[in-house]
Amino acid sequence: GENVEQHPSTLSVQEGDSAVIKCTYSDSASNYFPWYKQELGKRPQLIIDIRSNVGEKKDQRIAVTLNKTAKHFSLHITETQPEDSAVYFCAALWANNNDMRFGAGTRLTVKP
Amino acid sequence: NAGVTQTPKFQVLKTGQSMTLQCAQDMNHEYMSWYRQDPGMGLRLIHYSVGAGITDQGEVPNGYNVSRSTTEDFPLRLLSAAPSQTSVYFCASSPSSGSNEQFFGPGTRLTVL
Repeated sequence: GENVEQHPSTLSVQEGDSAVIKCTYSDSASNYFPWYKQELGKRPQLIIDIRSNVGEKKDQRIAVTLNKTAKHFSLHITETQPEDSAVYFCAALWANNNDMRFGAGTRLTVKP
Repeated sequence: NAGVTQTPKFQVLKTGQSMTLQCAQDMNHEYMSWYRQDPGMGLRLIHYSVGAGITDQGEVPNGYNVSRSTTEDFPLRLLSAAPSQTSVYFCASSPSSGSNEQFFGPGTRLTVL
């Protein structure tokens, strides 16, 4: 089945710096790659997603890049703020189109 | 709209007991799913449904049953609880399939003693 690996598991940055989280997936037929943010004690919420027919997508300070050949995708957060502190999860949709596999998560801490 | 709701919020069971976690959504979403979240392991898909009357297994289905008799409800049943099922359980829904934003419920924290 699909396997999604996420790195790093923890990331600490200074406010205003950029943060990058990387994920790799195993199923070359995967075609949908969302990123979720989960604050402490809260439910996961979608922050950005990308489909396999594009290589990059941006939404204000957040961007996602996808390299289908290498089977990896990355989340980029620029000008980080303390409220960006949370756990971030990448995911990939397995080829059958209904089975979502998540990475293990990255705990991002933004120091003021 | 209430979105995705789950009950209970917390539950403690003894080994061998059974129980049902409830999940409901009022967005008329076809796709619903159940995940468990354990420290350091992200979210793992237990079961999912693409519409009323249709269910399928995810990554970790053993020990759990589901049914989808209506579009709105997707209960998760633990047949005989085990300590390994101690986890936080999230229900989610999306409009048509997994390839859309999933809206998560608030979660149920389950402890099995």
